[in-house]
Amino acid sequence: DQQVKQNSPSLSVQEGRISILNCDYTNSMFDYFLWYKKYPAEGPTFLISISSIKDKNEDGRFTVFLNKSAKHLSLHIVPSQPGDSAVYFCAASPLAYETGTASKLTFGTGTRLQVTL
Amino acid sequence: GAGVSQSPRYKVAKRGQDVALRCDPISGHVSLFWYQQALGQGPEFLTYFQNEAQLDKSGLPSDRFFAERPEGSVSTLKIQRTQQEDSAVYLCASSLMLGNTEAFFGQGTRLTVV
Repeated sequence: DQQVKQNSPSLSVQEGRISILNCDYTNSMFDYFLWYKKYPAEGPTFLISISSIKDKNEDGRFTVFLNKSAKHLSLHIVPSQPGDSAVYFCAASPLAYETGTASKLTFGTGTRLQVTL
Repeated sequence: GAGVSQSPRYKVAKRGQDVALRCDPISGHVSLFWYQQALGQGPEFLTYFQNEAQLDKSGLPSDRFFAERPEGSVSTLKIQRTQQEDSAVYLCASSLMLGNTEAFFGQGTRLTVV
């Protein structure tokens, strides 16, 4: 079963507008969430993260929102730029203090973002 | 090096052949992970090392898969008697400390079994 779901395989947004990528999860043990960006033929690159004690985390043009009761998070990119065109993966893990070690990530299937001119 | 390095970048193996995939993590990184990414899917966890200790191998799909990190730095993922369903990109990631620090990924090795 897919514990982390990204239901939109692709998204097209005009340059300068807002991009909103969504992610849902089912495992209540997940307490830490990350977004990774992936260009073709490269490994995923960390973008931004949020722990469950927060509902928002912002870093420049990127903001992640977490709705723990709905088990839903979203990534907002504003303004969108052509260089943002990539596949975006949502990932989740339990908080490390619960396991005592670094935690494996469970990934969604990704959303391909295309930012058009 | 500056980042996580994986070799080879591409590997074509005949069905039944053994393969070995190498990962050089960022120097000093304690944690090392292997993930498998099938076409059109997200990466899926295979195994995790903390220094030289393999703490979690729950994601290895069968006993044909074996990973090691004998000196706590370079890691090798070995697949014996490869099968077509093993075709995927194998990603290695490392992180500096324990806990939820973000992991840095290598470029991956694309394995094609023919």
